Amino acid sequence: NAGVTQTPKFQVLKTGQSMTLQCAQDMNHEYMSWYRQDPGMGLRLIHYSVGAGITDQGEVPNGYNVSRSTTEDFPLRLLSAAPSQTSVYFCASSSTGSSRGWQETQYFGPGTRLLVL
Amino acid sequence: AQKITQTQPGMFVQEKEAVTLDCTYDTSDPSYGLFWYKQPSSGEMIFLIYQGSYDQQNATEGRYSLNFQKARKSANLVISASQLGDSAMYFCAMREGYTNAGKSTFGDGTTLTVKP
Repeated sequence: NAGVTQTPKFQVLKTGQSMTLQCAQDMNHEYMSWYRQDPGMGLRLIHYSVGAGITDQGEVPNGYNVSRSTTEDFPLRLLSAAPSQTSVYFCASSSTGSSRGWQETQYFGPGTRLLVL
Repeated sequence: AQKITQTQPGMFVQEKEAVTLDCTYDTSDPSYGLFWYKQPSSGEMIFLIYQGSYDQQNATEGRYSLNFQKARKSANLVISASQLGDSAMYFCAMREGYTNAGKSTFGDGTTLTVKP
């Protein structure tokens, strides 16, 4: 299993550009989430999904769109990049179907470092 | 109000000694889960330990244990016999409710430095 994969690892954008951060998981997890981590801070939830076709907003959703057409993939779209979106973005997946049930942790991808100039 | 508070921005510990990292939380949901993660300088998030709100005993995972005081709403991480490789950022996180498996609230973290 590759677990949770994210691409790209690093990206530089100019203000106003758009891009999509890719996230994929091969564990058949129903839950997937996007977080951002600003320097010296914890992770903040952007958007999450409880299954294919179902998404909802987190704490900091403005400027981002998501969709989930398959169980495996959960891309994050930046509509018009702003310097305030410079951050490290983490994708995570989890499942309540394991033996640990709802106690199961989220599994995190390696992160994407985004710099908006 | 902050749902997860980690009051120690930085901590130092001597190698082979024990260290406690503090975490307090705020929720009105009787069903919740508390997690600790380690983030080394390489940036990945590593799950360490979990405590459920209904768990009667404190969680333990190897050198990690969680000092869970429900009435005080605290879930402190204890690392025994610190190693140089324990130097990292540590995050406390909470998930509220049975169905919110994709939603966690994180504290701002504590940077732990282990001295040789």
